[in-house]
Amino acid sequence: KQEVTQIPAALSVPEGENLVLNCSFTDSAIYNLQWFRQDPGKGLTSLLLIQSSQREQTSGRLNASLDKSSGRSTLYIAASQPGDSATYLCAVSFITQGGSEKLVFGKGTKLTVNP
Amino acid sequence: DARVTQTPRHKVTEMGQEVTMRCQPILGHNTVFWYRQTMMQGLELLAYFRNRAPLDDSGMPKDRFSAEMPDATLATLKIQPSEPRDSAVYFCASGLNSNQPQHFGDGTRLSIL
Repeated sequence: KQEVTQIPAALSVPEGENLVLNCSFTDSAIYNLQWFRQDPGKGLTSLLLIQSSQREQTSGRLNASLDKSSGRSTLYIAASQPGDSATYLCAVSFITQGGSEKLVFGKGTKLTVNP
Repeated sequence: DARVTQTPRHKVTEMGQEVTMRCQPILGHNTVFWYRQTMMQGLELLAYFRNRAPLDDSGMPKDRFSAEMPDATLATLKIQPSEPRDSAVYFCASGLNSNQPQHFGDGTRLSIL
């Protein structure tokens, strides 16, 4: 059974700091991995999607890496800003034996960036 | 910007009542997902449709939950009868295919008393 773990559960940093969020998964047979952001009372917003054949994706100040063999991904946020404060969720996608797609989420890392 | 729309945003009702949650996926998206989010369990997949056909509803309690797509612009999730343990935020998401990110609605916050 695929399980996704995110560490730490919460992180508080001063503005301007570079930071890394971690995600690990138990089964390396994934289709892709996504990082999402969730603001309070809102749905999830996709930040980056890494295909299983890729090693990393970048968008602005965000960089996500994927090491399938070790079952790990990191989300790097450069020069953090108070507006980055949110919960960040990692999710892995895999194809079931029945041919349907399943997305399994970690429980998230709650990030607070202090001005 | 195209958005996934969910109604109602909030629902409070007594146990035993029927609850219907609605979702309007983004026009042109052919996959629709229903998720449930709680503090204890996090985000869990309940059901998944492609081209309006249910592909996987293994995450859904079959005795009280049902999910349908009467047409391409509407997905529904029903709970009958509702129980206090069903209290959660229910999200709908839509997408184009497995290689594209899913777009989430803002959720329905459900409280069963």
